Amino acid sequence: SYELTQPPSLSVSPGQTASITCSADKLGGKYVSWYQQKPGQSPLLVISEDAKRPSGIPGRFSGSNSGNTATLTISGTQAMDEADYYCQTWDGSTDDVIFGGGTKLTVL
Amino acid sequence: QVQLQESGPGLVKPSQTLSLTCTVSGGSISSGGYYWSWSRQHPGKGLEWIGYIYFSGSTYYNPSLKSRVTISVDTSKNQFSLKLSSVTAADTAVYYCARDPQGVAHYMDVWGKGTTVTVSS
Repeated sequence: SYELTQPPSLSVSPGQTASITCSADKLGGKYVSWYQQKPGQSPLLVISEDAKRPSGIPGRFSGSNSGNTATLTISGTQAMDEADYYCQTWDGSTDDVIFGGGTKLTVL
Repeated sequence: QVQLQESGPGLVKPSQTLSLTCTVSGGSISSGGYYWSWSRQHPGKGLEWIGYIYFSGSTYYNPSLKSRVTISVDTSKNQFSLKLSSVTAADTAVYYCARDPQGVAHYMDVWGKGTTVTVSS
């Protein structure tokens, strides 16, 4: 089965750039979306279809996807960005929706 | 603005069937253009997709749960539902319903707040 691999954790200082990766075989050939989840809350879509930012999501969130790696980039990271982040893709050959294991972003 | 709300028993006995409903407000399931999905999150763990349904009734399930899962839709009530049979403690989780725009890829753009289901005797 197709698996998405994310680093379990990432730490960044306020104002710095956070890059969260999501890796899988030939991932660049699929669309990747990203979700932010804060404790006790439901997931929030922050990036869809590799790089589209939904209405209301700050411009500091951006996404890219090429080769075997998709990346969520948070520029000028703020304390409010501290959360778990999940990548997600759809495998069209099996119609399966797949989530990565999640990355805990700490801003300190 | 579309909102989703999960409802159902918070406690289910082992071997029984878990049943949850997601009520959609601010939009009509029968208007099409979206899939409607269920996912879950085990305590302290990541997200797991369970399956999705189109208003026509077409369904797609996670292969690892397929034998136990049924997702259905009731357009007259603007609801869709999840049934998970033969539950065990491993099915204890927060269950989320979400909207999935019908497009070139599947993703969830609106989520419910989630409902906690505990499997215990």
